[in-house]
Amino acid sequence: NAGVTQTPKFQVLKTGQSMTLQCAQDMNHEYMSWYRQDPGMGLRLIHYSVGAGITDQGEVPNGYNVSRSTTEDFPLRLLSAAPSQTSVYFCASSYSGTPYTEAFFGQGTRLTVV
Amino acid sequence: SQQGEEDPQALSIQEGENATMNCSYKTSINNLQWYRQNSGRGLVHLILIRSNEREKHSGRLRVTLDTSKKSSSLLITASRAADTASYFCATPREGNTPLVFGKGTRLSVIA
Repeated sequence: NAGVTQTPKFQVLKTGQSMTLQCAQDMNHEYMSWYRQDPGMGLRLIHYSVGAGITDQGEVPNGYNVSRSTTEDFPLRLLSAAPSQTSVYFCASSYSGTPYTEAFFGQGTRLTVV
Repeated sequence: SQQGEEDPQALSIQEGENATMNCSYKTSINNLQWYRQNSGRGLVHLILIRSNEREKHSGRLRVTLDTSKKSSSLLITASRAADTASYFCATPREGNTPLVFGKGTRLSVIA
């Protein structure tokens, strides 16, 4: 199993550009989430999904869109990139059958908006 | 807002010493988890402790949970240079919805 795969690993955008960060998992997990990590801030939840067709907002959703058309994929879209969205983005997935379950993380996407 | 807060923010110790990190949280939980993040990498799950457990061990890791004080501690015994990383506590928001993470403790183990 590959686990959680994020692409790209690095990206530089100009202010106002749009892009999609990809996340795919092969563990048949229902739960998937996007976090951003900034220095001194830990991980903050952007959006999450509890299954295909179901998404919800996290702590810092503004400027980001998500959709979940399949169990495997959970892309994160930046509609109009801003310098404040410079961050490291992590996708995570977990099994939904019990609350006593660990999250599996991708290796992250380092995004710089200039 | 973030649920867990780790203390200290940074910790530097010599190889072979023990490292203790603390986590406080705000709301009722059914479990608390600890994760490690090596520089530039994703987070890796270390250990999960349920709300009805007081202590749990895994190799050189010992985790305690005090639900009355809403706090947890992670002890790494006989630390190694390879333990150098950031450590985060995390709790579910509600039920088993996504985890909420603290800001982490940055551990440096000096050989």
